[in-house]
Amino acid sequence: AQSVSQHNHHVILSEAASLELGCNYSYGGTVNLFWYVQYPGQHLQLLLKYFSGDPLVKGIKGFEAEFIKSKFSFNLRKPSVQWSDTAEYFCAVSTSGTYKYIFGTGTRLKVLA
Amino acid sequence: KAGVTQTPRYLIKTRGQQVTLSCSPISGHRSVSWYQQTPGQGLQFLFEYFSETQRNKGNFPGRFSGRQFSNSRSEMNVSTLELGDSALYLCASSLAGGMNTEAFFGQGTRLTVV
Repeated sequence: AQSVSQHNHHVILSEAASLELGCNYSYGGTVNLFWYVQYPGQHLQLLLKYFSGDPLVKGIKGFEAEFIKSKFSFNLRKPSVQWSDTAEYFCAVSTSGTYKYIFGTGTRLKVLA
Repeated sequence: KAGVTQTPRYLIKTRGQQVTLSCSPISGHRSVSWYQQTPGQGLQFLFEYFSETQRNKGNFPGRFSGRQFSNSRSEMNVSTLELGDSALYLCASSLAGGMNTEAFFGQGTRLTVV
């Protein structure tokens, strides 16, 4: 069965620290990949997406992710986090013909001011 | 433009009752999908509709059902509520669903079963 793994469940960083959140998926075919963010009390918002082409994807608020097909990975990065980045981050994958997203279990990021 | 609208935002129901949740997609979006979010299980796919047809269904019991209307609005129904059905129910809409489209999520309906 297809699955998505997020290895870090809780991350605590100080402002200005660099961030990398891991995401691995299990599916051998063509995938679409997403990172969503859920700020406290708010709805899920799309940070960035990968459909095809350049495996380095830039999203909103200075986030980027790199698709490494050989490693089935789509890690999220940000060079310098801010207190306002405190949120829960979800990696998701969709595959052809399924019309659904499979989400990872999420990573709670807390940024200390 | 208006986002995905879910009503109501909060619900408290008693075990054994049934509940209906509503979702209005972004204008022009024809695909609507539903997810259940709980602390223990994360986000789990319930079902997806496109042009009033269910194209996929997740691993939930038959007590969970849904439908989509001709204006793309969708409802989901849970019958014979159980305590374990307490969750945040999220609706997402996209232009056509499937590959190479992104989903936009509503704020969710928080269902508490007592």
